[in-house]
Amino acid sequence: SQQGEEDPQALSIQEGENATMNCSYKTSINNLQWYRQNSGRGLVHLILIRSNEREKHSGRLRVTLDTSKKSSSLLITASRAADTASYFCATGPTGFQKLVFGTGTRLLVSP
Amino acid sequence: DAGVTQSPTHLIKTRGQQVTLRCSPKSGHDTVSWYQQALGQGPQFIFQYYEEEERQRGNFPDRFSGHQFPNYSSELNVNALLLGDSALYLCASSNRGRMNTEAFFGQGTRLTVV
Repeated sequence: SQQGEEDPQALSIQEGENATMNCSYKTSINNLQWYRQNSGRGLVHLILIRSNEREKHSGRLRVTLDTSKKSSSLLITASRAADTASYFCATGPTGFQKLVFGTGTRLLVSP
Repeated sequence: DAGVTQSPTHLIKTRGQQVTLRCSPKSGHDTVSWYQQALGQGPQFIFQYYEEEERQRGNFPDRFSGHQFPNYSSELNVNALLLGDSALYLCASSNRGRMNTEAFFGQGTRLTVV
């Protein structure tokens, strides 16, 4: 069973707009990772945020983590058509044990 | 750096057959994990190998087994295939000696059981 849930399940925006996806989880974590998946292929690692971090940036990506609410958000600024994909959050109870994935957010960016 | 590589890319098997999927981890990584992703779902953890031993296992039957070789590459074996085993199988590698580091995934093997 999935531990977490992403919200919304699907998101449709225009190029240039920002996209925000949320992730909730159930148990204590050491870190949370966000991944992108194109057309049912492999997962591309986007960003890892540790439990003692509150915000992290990477290019057009901004991730926040609120451990008191057991939630995280991924913001993609100035979106492009190439950002169209499914986005998953995955929580890690430790640094190298299993990852527990949510059900994903399907993002569609229209030109 | 070739990253995580998986083979084959696609596979079609008949119900009841056996299948072997292969994974080579990213250079410098010593831990391999396998995940099953059904259509429209997030990946589900199958098991993890480190130092050639299964270290942790998810909720999968014994029909799913694996192996890790001295060069850290790994195989996933599934016996007595069922239609429900049709899925994308993903391999992830990481470095067990480093806490809180990323897990990198391969492109996956799409298994179809008919």
